[in-house]
Amino acid sequence: AQSVTQLDSQVPVFEEAPVELRCNYSSSVSVYLFWYVQYPNQGLQLLLKYLSGSTLVKSINGFEAEFNKSQTSFHLRKPSVHISDTAEYFCAVSRSGGYQKVTFGTGTKLQVIP
Amino acid sequence: GAGVSQSPSNKVTEKGKDVELRCDPISGHTALYWYRQSLGQGLEFLIYFQGNSAPDKSGLPSDRFSAERTGGSVSTLTIQRTQQEDSAVYLCASSLESGDTQYFGPGTRLTVL
Repeated sequence: AQSVTQLDSQVPVFEEAPVELRCNYSSSVSVYLFWYVQYPNQGLQLLLKYLSGSTLVKSINGFEAEFNKSQTSFHLRKPSVHISDTAEYFCAVSRSGGYQKVTFGTGTKLQVIP
Repeated sequence: GAGVSQSPSNKVTEKGKDVELRCDPISGHTALYWYRQSLGQGLEFLIYFQGNSAPDKSGLPSDRFSAERTGGSVSTLTIQRTQQEDSAVYLCASSLESGDTQYFGPGTRLTVL
């Protein structure tokens, strides 16, 4: 079975500074990887995902994540954060090929400081 | 199109009572998940349905928790003899296939007094 580790439970960062939210996974087979975001008082929604192809995936609001198979990582980065990025971010993994359970990490709270 | 809906949005109950939480997934989605989100506890997996296969119940915290999915669509999560530690937001998600993007409902906030 696969697992996901998000080592940082909280990450404070000043506005316009870069940020990296770390995600490591454990799986012996090919995987799909996801980042979900939960804004304050809102539901969870998909931010970006890696299924196959290019290992660098991007969201519409400036976040990107790179699938690194050798390091079993899928870290989320943004070069310059905004106040509106304050949210909780969840990394998730599933075995590739469909019809496989998705496993979530424990989440990282990103707090952008003005 | 309609997203995942959950009802009720809020439920306050007394300790020892039974509660039922409902989830209506997106039409055509074969996979359905239940999660629990407690303050400061992250997202806790409870149960997972995939088509007509036997559900994965490995996340249910005790035998007071059960869930069913009728006709491959609507799902009900039942908590019997509720305890104060059951207080949390219960989230439902569905996906077209299990390993793909999940679409989350707004959740049911359960408060056990």
